[in-house]
Amino acid sequence: AQSVAQPEDQVNVAEGNPLTVKCTYSVSGNPYLFWYVQYPNRGLQFLLKYITGDNLVKGSYGFEAEFNKSQTSFHLKKPSALVSDSALYFCAVSAYILTGGGNKLTFGTGTQLKVEL
Amino acid sequence: KAGVTQTPRYLIKTRGQQVTLSCSPISGHRSVSWYQQTPGQGLQFLFEYFSETQRNKGNFPGRFSGRQFSNSRSEMNVSTLELGDSALYLCASSFGQGGVETQYFGPGTRLLVL
Repeated sequence: AQSVAQPEDQVNVAEGNPLTVKCTYSVSGNPYLFWYVQYPNRGLQFLLKYITGDNLVKGSYGFEAEFNKSQTSFHLKKPSALVSDSALYFCAVSAYILTGGGNKLTFGTGTQLKVEL
Repeated sequence: KAGVTQTPRYLIKTRGQQVTLSCSPISGHRSVSWYQQTPGQGLQFLFEYFSETQRNKGNFPGRFSGRQFSNSRSEMNVSTLELGDSALYLCASSFGQGGVETQYFGPGTRLLVL
């Protein structure tokens, strides 16, 4: 079984400051990790993913994430937060189904990011 | 390119009724997955369809079912609705060609069961 944990329900940061949203994972094989963002009354928007390769992954809207295998972490970061970044952020791990194919995402519980002026 | 679309966006039903939700994937995407989002349980995988066949299934009772059409559009059905079925139902699509793929989500259908 695989899982992700987001230890913080809410993160508060001042606009212009760097932000970090934490995620740790537990998988039995290779980790395939994703970050999504959800704005109120909207679906999930894809931000970035790690499949293999560089440990620093760059994504949309200036976000990046650092994959750390030894710490089993995949933290989301942004150098300078904007008020418009305020939203609910989900970390997810993908189970690629070897038998029959297909993908299934297992999500963390989400972290509410609040960026204040 | 148009994104994933879901209809209707909002639904109110009463216990015991059934409901059908619709999802149109991104053009060219052949895999459609459904997820349920509730405050208590978070985001949970329901099932995935590819080439009109259910390819994977989550841990939901048989009241939850789905299907996919030849144009890759998908519907999910919930029969004998319970209060606990109130949720945001999200549909996601991907190419379905194999390997680890990014899933792109629609805006969701918010279902309220009274």
